[in-house]
Amino acid sequence: SQQGEEDPQALSIQEGENATMNCSYKTSINNLQWYRQNSGRGLVHLILIRSNEREKHSGRLRVTLDTSKKSSSLLITASRAADTASYFCAAANQAGTALIFGKGTTLSVSS
Amino acid sequence: ETGVTQTPRHLVMGMTNKKSLKCEQHLGHNAMYWYKQSAKKPLELMFVYSLEERVENNSVPSRFSPECPNSSHLFLHLHTLQPEDSALYLCASSQERTGGLGTQYFGPGTRLTVL
Repeated sequence: SQQGEEDPQALSIQEGENATMNCSYKTSINNLQWYRQNSGRGLVHLILIRSNEREKHSGRLRVTLDTSKKSSSLLITASRAADTASYFCAAANQAGTALIFGKGTTLSVSS
Repeated sequence: ETGVTQTPRHLVMGMTNKKSLKCEQHLGHNAMYWYKQSAKKPLELMFVYSLEERVENNSVPSRFSPECPNSSHLFLHLHTLQPEDSALYLCASSQERTGGLGTQYFGPGTRLTVL
């Protein structure tokens, strides 16, 4: 069954604006990861947040995790055209034996 | 570059052909993965190899046959595929021996079209 599910499915913003993507999951997790994919390419890891962490930052990225609501959010601040890509959350099961990806959010940033 | 390479990048094959996809990781990782990515569907995990031993096979049809001759190389052998097998096939590797504990590093993928 699908573990991570992103919302919205698609997001269009202007350069300089912030972009927020949400992810919900169903069962207890070991960690939650966010990946980025440019069109037709492989996925690139962005950030990993463990189940005992609530917030993590990496450059212009900010990830939050609320285990009570089984949800996470990815915030990209001051977006750029180069941020245009699909973003996936992936939830690791509690044992850490599997990583289950969602369908992704397609972000378009126009200049 | 992520340190994971895949060849070929594009492949067109007929339903009666036999072909192989190749993946190589230059990261010294312990686990390697094959994923299938179809339009508007979540990434599907196909196979997992940990220390060259297959540890997971997610009900993948037998027309897909993986091979891991050593910790750096992973193959996916294809035969008598169906048009619905057309997709982007992604290889990944991780330092951790189980799939969820750490970061996975992905190759650029092979775009497969089955006619």
